[in-house]
Amino acid sequence: KAGVTQTPRYLIKTRGQQVTLSCSPISGHRSVSWYQQTPGQGLQFLFEYFSETQRNKGNFPGRFSGRQFSNSRSEMNVSTLELGDSALYLCASSPALAGNTIYFGEGSWLTVV
Amino acid sequence: TQLLEQSPQFLSIQEGENLTVYCNSSSVFSSLQWYRQEPGEGPVLLVTVVTGGEVKKLKRLTFQFGDARKDSSLHITAAQPGDTGLYLCAGEGGAQKLVFGQGTRLTINP
Repeated sequence: KAGVTQTPRYLIKTRGQQVTLSCSPISGHRSVSWYQQTPGQGLQFLFEYFSETQRNKGNFPGRFSGRQFSNSRSEMNVSTLELGDSALYLCASSPALAGNTIYFGEGSWLTVV
Repeated sequence: TQLLEQSPQFLSIQEGENLTVYCNSSSVFSSLQWYRQEPGEGPVLLVTVVTGGEVKKLKRLTFQFGDARKDSSLHITAAQPGDTGLYLCAGEGGAQKLVFGQGTRLTINP
């Protein structure tokens, strides 16, 4: 069974640009959640999608957005990038919304210069 | 806002020693999970504890969930260099899906 796949693995962007990250969940998993990991703040929850609907949202500004497609694949977008957005962005999938093990992808490393 | 405080943040010990990592909160969690993360990879689930007072063992690793479901500990016996990594605790119990501790960066020296 293929794991959670995230693309791209590494990318460098300039301040003010926008970026889109992609996540393909494990086959059959309908819940996809996104996390930001930085050395200073650790792992922080961004949002969760289930059946193409955002179900939960963390404390991040509106520049961070996401969506989920009918095949459960998800994308997250960050607009007007700031230096502080440099981080490892992790996607995780699970079969349902709660009470299930979540499986993380390897992450997308974003560097903003 | 639910918070998890993990300690210590850094721990460097010799092979064969024992160690304990703590995860504390003032909030109650429906479950608490422990992950291990290697450099360049995503976190991998080690264990989930659900019941207050629950103890789970995974080879040389022992996980305990506090009676009040607000804290947890990870104990490693006879640590080996292969145990080196970032250990994260995470609580499930609210709109924030999983709340993570800051992590404990563990180094086991041969």
